[in-house]
Amino acid sequence: SQELEQSPQSLIVQEGKNLTINCTSSKTLYGLYWYKQKYGEGLIFLMMLQKGGEEKSHEKITAKLDEKKQQSSLHITASQPSHAGIYLCGADMSGAQKLVFGQGTRLTINP
Amino acid sequence: DAGVTQSPTHLIKTRGQQVTLRCSPKSGHDTVSWYQQALGQGPQFIFQYYEEEERQRGNFPDRFSGHQFPNYSSELNVNALLLGDSALYLCASSPAGVWYGYTFGSGTRLTVV
Repeated sequence: SQELEQSPQSLIVQEGKNLTINCTSSKTLYGLYWYKQKYGEGLIFLMMLQKGGEEKSHEKITAKLDEKKQQSSLHITASQPSHAGIYLCGADMSGAQKLVFGQGTRLTINP
Repeated sequence: DAGVTQSPTHLIKTRGQQVTLRCSPKSGHDTVSWYQQALGQGPQFIFQYYEEEERQRGNFPDRFSGHQFPNYSSELNVNALLLGDSALYLCASSPAGVWYGYTFGSGTRLTVV
């Protein structure tokens, strides 16, 4: 079983619509990291959350970490074609500079 | 400022062969981690190098080995390649001390036939 579960695994939304991706762990996390990946390419850092209840935003993307530090969500407002890609959450579960990743969410934006 | 550089970008090898992948970390970073990403999956941690030593290792067999050089660059070696080793291999670098996550390279796509 996955230490970190992402949902949904794939998402198709119409351009302009809002969407949310979730990431859940059974353990309390030291930190939660969101990355975006274009198919077959490297990971691009989006946001890092370390404190319970923390929320960060960058442009139209907002990420939150719950108070228990076991669940995070990534919300995109008014989606655009440039948002298409694979979104990965990575969790620091040990404080040892090592990330465990979810299986990813493939996001498609339809015009 | 160059980020993390990996070479080669693509590689095709035959089952049983050996392969070496290379990584130059981002300027100012001294810790290098390697990940394997199978198609449709999230990356899995292979190992991490700091001060030319393997600091921690994931659940990968001894066929996977690595090295870090004094200039912080790193190599990943895989012996006796299996078909299941086909994947995108990602190198990630980070500075020692306060950690704000990794900077990833673009990866090396390894295909074993």
